[in-house]
Parts: sequence; structure tokens; C-alpha cells
Amino acid sequence: QSALTQPASVSGSPGQSITISCTGVSSALNGYNSVSWFQQHPDKAPNLIIYDVGHRPSGISDRFSGSKSGYTASLTISGLQAEDEADYYCVSSTTSETLYVFGSGTRVTVL
Amino acid sequence: QVQLVESGGGVVQPGTSLRLSCAASRFTFSDHAMNWVRQPPGKGLEWVAFIRYDGNYHVYGDSVRGRFTISRDNFKSTLSLHMNSLRTEDTAVYYCVKVRLSKLRSPGGDMDVWGRGTTVTVSS
Repeated sequence: QSALTQPASVSGSPGQSITISCTGVSSALNGYNSVSWFQQHPDKAPNLIIYDVGHRPSGISDRFSGSKSGYTASLTISGLQAEDEADYYCVSSTTSETLYVFGSGTRVTVL
Repeated sequence: QVQLVESGGGVVQPGTSLRLSCAASRFTFSDHAMNWVRQPPGKGLEWVAFIRYDGNYHVYGDSVRGRFTISRDNFKSTLSLHMNSLRTEDTAVYYCVKVRLSKLRSPGGDMDVWGRGTTVTVSS
């Protein structure tokens, strides 16, 4: 099972909105709602920011939102802030023996 | 707040074995499936192994199947990963990761809380 495809990098200015896509094969994303997004700052463990496609855990800013359409899941960060500069990974459960497939990761840069 | 603390990492030679542990606290460990996920230096995340909340079902990633064994002790709230026949490509930070929902009988489920990780370096 190949990794889900994410853009290597996305950048934006403070206050702008950016969207990160996560594209996968049909057995990974299509028909499944279990898509999550994690934020990882350098030398830190990943932190859950979106689960079940579009749900935020308590304590996560509503500037983060998730959605899914067909074979693509998306993470949108609104009102970009300096602290949002980090790596972002999507992950989904699959029907194959590879139970979870991670995205390739996206480096977000705040200009 | 949920806490996961990994230990057992180190520098080992190719072909040898290592056992990682994860001590869980501040949640009902026996109700939640768990995973190991790894991250090679400078690279992305890779799922390694899953174990159901009762320990009766486990699944492995292609790159470790047949070499690694995941296990758990629900009385001690501890997750383990026994790694045999280690290869240089197993070099990574290994994370212990909790599944969000409790008592899921089907494999999988959203992952939520991660430990800080333990570093495994396989080098001759």
C-alpha cells in the first residue's frame, strides 16, 4: 500500500488560509471516514488536530478544518499564524493488511 | 491527561534484537487498541504494528511482519514491541500511539495520543 500523496510544501502569509490535500488509492480513502490529520513541530511527537475527516479534538483551534471528497481529503488552516509552521500528516485506515497508511507529509511555512 | 512513555531504544548492530516498552497512564489502557508508529530520521511516519484492546488480534506492516511482535500487559498498562533481525532501515524514532475509541473489536480506528518516542539506531 503506497503512502497517501500530499504536497511536499505549502506556504502562506500570516492571516491567509491554506489547504493541504491528501490523495489516496480507493481502498484507503474512498468509502472510509476514518481520516485524521496530525501536526508535528520539529523534534516533537505528532499531535492530533482532526479526526473522522472533520472533527476537532478539544483544545484544537477552530482555524483547523477537515473535509473529504471522493479520493481526496483536505486540511484547511485559516488565519495562518507563525505557530502553524510545522509538518502535517494525513492518515487513514485501509482494507488491506496495511492497516494504516500515512500521507507523505507537508511542510507548512509561514512567510 | 493521557500519558504514554516509551523506553528501550538504543544503538544495536544489524541482525540483533531489541525490546521497546511503553508505559501508559491516566486512561483505561485495557479498553483501547494501541499501535507502534516509526519515523526514520528526516522522513515521514510509517505504521508498524497494531494490537486490539484485549490483545487477541494484531497486525503488522509489510516491512516488519515476521520480525517484530507487538504485545501488551493490561494488568501493568504496558505495551511492548519485540524487534528481531534488525536492519539498518529499522533506524527510527518509535512512537507508542493510542487508538481514540474504546473497545473497538474491528482492527483500526483513529489514533489520537502519541508518546514522545524512543530512538532505535541500527548500525554496524
